Amino acid sequence: GEDVEQSLFLSVREGDSSVINCTYTDSSSTYLYWYKQEPGAGLQLLTYIFSNMDMKQDQRLTVLLNKKDKHLSLRIADTQTGDSAIYFCAASSSNTGKLIFGQGTTLQVKP
Amino acid sequence: GAVVSQHPSWVICKSGTSVKIECRSLDFQATTMFWYRQFPKQSLMLMATSNEGSKATYEQGVEKDKFLINHASLTLSTLTVTSAHPEDSSFYICSANPYSTDTQYFGPGTRLTVL
Repeated sequence: GEDVEQSLFLSVREGDSSVINCTYTDSSSTYLYWYKQEPGAGLQLLTYIFSNMDMKQDQRLTVLLNKKDKHLSLRIADTQTGDSAIYFCAASSSNTGKLIFGQGTTLQVKP
Repeated sequence: GAVVSQHPSWVICKSGTSVKIECRSLDFQATTMFWYRQFPKQSLMLMATSNEGSKATYEQGVEKDKFLINHASLTLSTLTVTSAHPEDSSFYICSANPYSTDTQYFGPGTRLTVL
């Protein structure tokens, strides 16, 4: 079945750019998502990209999709302390429509 | 738009009691809702898919009689943890697809602690 992998931890300085990477195995995944989870809270949808797109930009967020390598990245420009959270990459299963989540990347932003 | 709420946000109960968690889509209709469980510092584990007007579809290893799901309307799904035990303590999160889309929007989660 589908597998989604992420690095577990990223630390950046406030004002720098953050890049969180994700790989997935199901090349027929229709949509790929980025969610943000703050402590004790649910998941907030940040952005998503359709599988026939290469890039999507939304304010400080840029999503890059390399379909050939099955690699997805989320770039956060001008990272702020409020961006500190766990970021989950998720791929929609082409067979079931269910979401398959990565392990989550903890982003730590240092002042 | 696409707001999902959960109630309660946290609950503490004694071992052997049952606990009901509600998931509501506030500004859209959802024929499908999903229930996840999340252990500390781990990812989300899909428990079941809740279908309005029909039986839920459970993931492998999830006990149907333990985790009862009812999706009685297009805006409400409930998860009842029956005869709860300390190992059921976890963070339960629901999500819903706005009608005819694939994108899931998540509720704020419910922290269950079983003593």
